[in-house]
Amino acid sequence: EAAVTQSPRNKVTVTGGNVTLSCRQTNSHNYMYWYRQDTGHGLRLIHYSYGAGNLQIGDVPDGYKATRTTQEDFFLLLELASPSQTSLYFCASSEGIGDTQYFGPGTRLLVL
Amino acid sequence: GDSVTQTEGLVTVTEGLPVKLNCTYQTTYLTIAFFWYVQYLNEAPQVLLRSSTDNKRTEHQGFHATLHKSSSSFHLQKSSAQLSDSALYYCALFFIASSSFSKLVFGQGTSLSVVP
Repeated sequence: EAAVTQSPRNKVTVTGGNVTLSCRQTNSHNYMYWYRQDTGHGLRLIHYSYGAGNLQIGDVPDGYKATRTTQEDFFLLLELASPSQTSLYFCASSEGIGDTQYFGPGTRLLVL
Repeated sequence: GDSVTQTEGLVTVTEGLPVKLNCTYQTTYLTIAFFWYVQYLNEAPQVLLRSSTDNKRTEHQGFHATLHKSSSSFHLQKSSAQLSDSALYYCALFFIASSSFSKLVFGQGTSLSVVP
């Protein structure tokens, strides 16, 4: 059974649209992360959290909000989506911040 | 700044021949761990190797890497490439800047193509 799941797997929205990406982990890990993956840029950290109610800013946070509602659930919010946010989004979890990260299957987002 | 450099965007190698993917880093902080992640087509990244000891060889699934702090490198190697090794490979380093700030930094990734 997959330990990190993401939904939806694919999403299409229009410019200015409101999008929420969901991530759930059953690893009982403390840390959860949101990345975007783009050709030529690799994996870039958007936000991360070390527990319910906690949020830390990553390297490319502009245009994104995130919320960690429980130990298991971490959400990424795009309130006014732009075409530049078209990307493949990965969620990951780890026990500690320097530990191995376990990734979900990814969500492919297209903003028209 | 703190960075991880993977100089090759694409490496093509013939099946059965050795392969080496380069990874160098730059940081002024205390480095704790180094990783290689592999991402197969249409899959999520997964850890391949992890190391935190200078000059110690780490092996997994036929791949090996040795951390050399003297040259700031953590190159990934395999003696005989297989078609199934074709994937995107990320090098990453984890460092601690202070008691309240630490970070995992990924390189840009190297796409490995193994051809018959």
